[in-house]
Amino acid sequence: GAVVSQHPSRVICKSGTSVKIECRSLDFQATTMFWYRQFPKQSLMLMATSNEGSKATYEQGVEKDKFLINHASLTLSTLTVTSAHPEDSSFYICSARDPGVSSYNEQFFGPGTRLTVL
Amino acid sequence: DQQVKQNSPSLSVQEGRISILNCDYTNSMFDYFLWYKKYPAEGPTFLISISSIKDKNEDGRFTVFLNKSAKHLSLHIVPSQPGDSAVYFCAASAVDDSWGKLQFGAGTQVVVTP
Repeated sequence: GAVVSQHPSRVICKSGTSVKIECRSLDFQATTMFWYRQFPKQSLMLMATSNEGSKATYEQGVEKDKFLINHASLTLSTLTVTSAHPEDSSFYICSARDPGVSSYNEQFFGPGTRLTVL
Repeated sequence: DQQVKQNSPSLSVQEGRISILNCDYTNSMFDYFLWYKKYPAEGPTFLISISSIKDKNEDGRFTVFLNKSAKHLSLHIVPSQPGDSAVYFCAASAVDDSWGKLQFGAGTQVVVTP
């Protein structure tokens, strides 16, 4: 149980285009999902916290108009990188909490999406 | 400001020996700590956790120790196996965070040699 999927796993796009990344909890309902970004050999940086049916809460320094997050259902959250630029190239990872399964604040992570902006 | 620190970026250990990974934190509101294992191009997978009311938690080959007064925790892997080669992240959650946000350390790359 507690499986989280991400799609696509890898995307290459041209500068100026928008890219949507989906995060799904496959066998549980996730009221809260998190979006992280990881640069090579660095830590996971929390970008935003997404709660089903409400606006996402962004961490300091993360542009909410640049990284649009929608958590429309209990099993799906999407991250849209708008007008992508080469500096947005990174590994994006989502995670979800399942209060019914996870102990305390354990999060279950998706496999990640490698975004390359040319 | 990094609230969770893993000061050793890498660790090399021989198969069968013990791996000790260290993690320090600065936020006294952290009350729950987790270790995640991550392979390249994959998401982290949960390994083991510990609540601040405990000082030790064991699960098979993995044991986590917590020293609250020193704001320090460590992960022991014994015996180390080649499949343990991965990046290990320490994470912490604060008691006053209702969403359960995690703060991650920078990670320690573990290489287990035959």
